[in-house]
Amino acid sequence: AQTVTQSQPEMSVQEAETVTLSCTYDTSESDYYLFWYKQPPSRQMILVIRQEAYKQQNATENRFSVNFQKAAKSFSLKISDSQLGDAAMYFCAYRSASGGSEKLVFGKGTKLTVNP
Amino acid sequence: EAGVTQFPSHSVIEKGQTVTLRCDPISGHDNLYWYRRVMGKEIKFLLHFVKESKQDESGMPNNRFLAERTGGTYSTLKVQPAELEDSGVYFCASSPYRTGPTGETQYFGPGTRLLVL
Repeated sequence: AQTVTQSQPEMSVQEAETVTLSCTYDTSESDYYLFWYKQPPSRQMILVIRQEAYKQQNATENRFSVNFQKAAKSFSLKISDSQLGDAAMYFCAYRSASGGSEKLVFGKGTKLTVNP
Repeated sequence: EAGVTQFPSHSVIEKGQTVTLRCDPISGHDNLYWYRRVMGKEIKFLLHFVKESKQDESGMPNNRFLAERTGGTYSTLKVQPAELEDSGVYFCASSPYRTGPTGETQYFGPGTRLLVL
């Protein structure tokens, strides 16, 4: 079974600075998808960024980018120019592309605080 | 376009009682998923509907949990009888139907916070 590990329960960053959230996963599959979701306080979870495992190029979405290291099974999220609105729980998730289950496998999450 | 909605937002019940959670997916989304996050732990998959059919219910913890999606629109998740360990946040998500493993984004609702006393 696949597992996702987020080793940083909490992180903090100064406004306008850069922060990197770590995520590692374990799988025997070669094709899969990886996601970062964000859940602001008292609000619903939204997708931040996604990565297809077959793509070597790291995904980027404005100030958010990932460092996808397939061999190391690592999928970190970098937030540049952090803003107060980035404060949230961030969840890393894995999904198989084998055509079987479509379930997302989540890590425990990292709580990000942005200090003004 | 309305997002995924869930009702109620909070529920406090006593052990042994019954609770029914409801999820309304985004209109037109055939895939509907239920997840649960117990305090301090990972968000865990419960089950997946494609329209009204259960595609994958491998995450359902036991037979006290019953999920339905009559007519392929909204879904309900009933817990009967509730136990203390059922406390947590129950999330619903939906996505459009696509053939094959597309990695389609799942859109989440705000969750229902269930507390069993």
